[in-house]
Amino acid sequence: QKEVEQDPGPLSVPEGAIVSLNCTYSNSAFQYFMWYRQYSRKGPELLMYTYSSGNKEDGRFTAQVDKSSKYISLFIRDSQPSDSATYLCAMRGSGSARQLTFGSGTQLTVLP
Amino acid sequence: GAVVSQHPSRVICKSGTSVKIECRSLDFQATTMFWYRQFPKQSLMLMATSNEGSKATYEQGVEKDKFLINHASLTLSTLTVTSAHPEDSSFYICSARGTLPDRGLEKLFFGSGTQLSVL
Repeated sequence: QKEVEQDPGPLSVPEGAIVSLNCTYSNSAFQYFMWYRQYSRKGPELLMYTYSSGNKEDGRFTAQVDKSSKYISLFIRDSQPSDSATYLCAMRGSGSARQLTFGSGTQLTVLP
Repeated sequence: GAVVSQHPSRVICKSGTSVKIECRSLDFQATTMFWYRQFPKQSLMLMATSNEGSKATYEQGVEKDKFLINHASLTLSTLTVTSAHPEDSSFYICSARGTLPDRGLEKLFFGSGTQLSVL
């Protein structure tokens, strides 16, 4: 079993839809949770960064962390064609366990 | 915000040649840099972790003599693919971690990646 599971998609939605992207994990030591957006043949771009459980909102993006269920989500409101990309979840522990563990990424296409 | 610059963005080379990829942190001092490899439609696979002034730590299965990493300064790390072969063709991405004054949370920033094609 992988430490981080993420549905690879592909996921296609119409413009304006609400998108929900999710990851589950097995390592209870993970405390920091991130979402990255990666356009084709580009490096990942940090979108959201959260610590422990709770919600964090930034514009059209909302990140949720539920540590009790080991489940994190990224919601995109009013999705745009420019949101079409691969979204990677990533997480890490603290102290010596600071390497990031990535999900496999979900490929999202927002259709105009 | 913090920027990590990676060059070249694309390189095509003949089998047997060596290729050097540079990764620079522009806005901060990167105490640690990471090198990843990514195959099409797959996630990032960590190859090695390098700390400034010390030898890189390679992940299991990554040949240290083939993928030479040098982290000579707090702003520059290089990855050299020695005697490249077609199976080394991949997308290589660096990332840098440093101390940024952002509520104490440490962040990781990525370069734009290098597409290596070995003929």
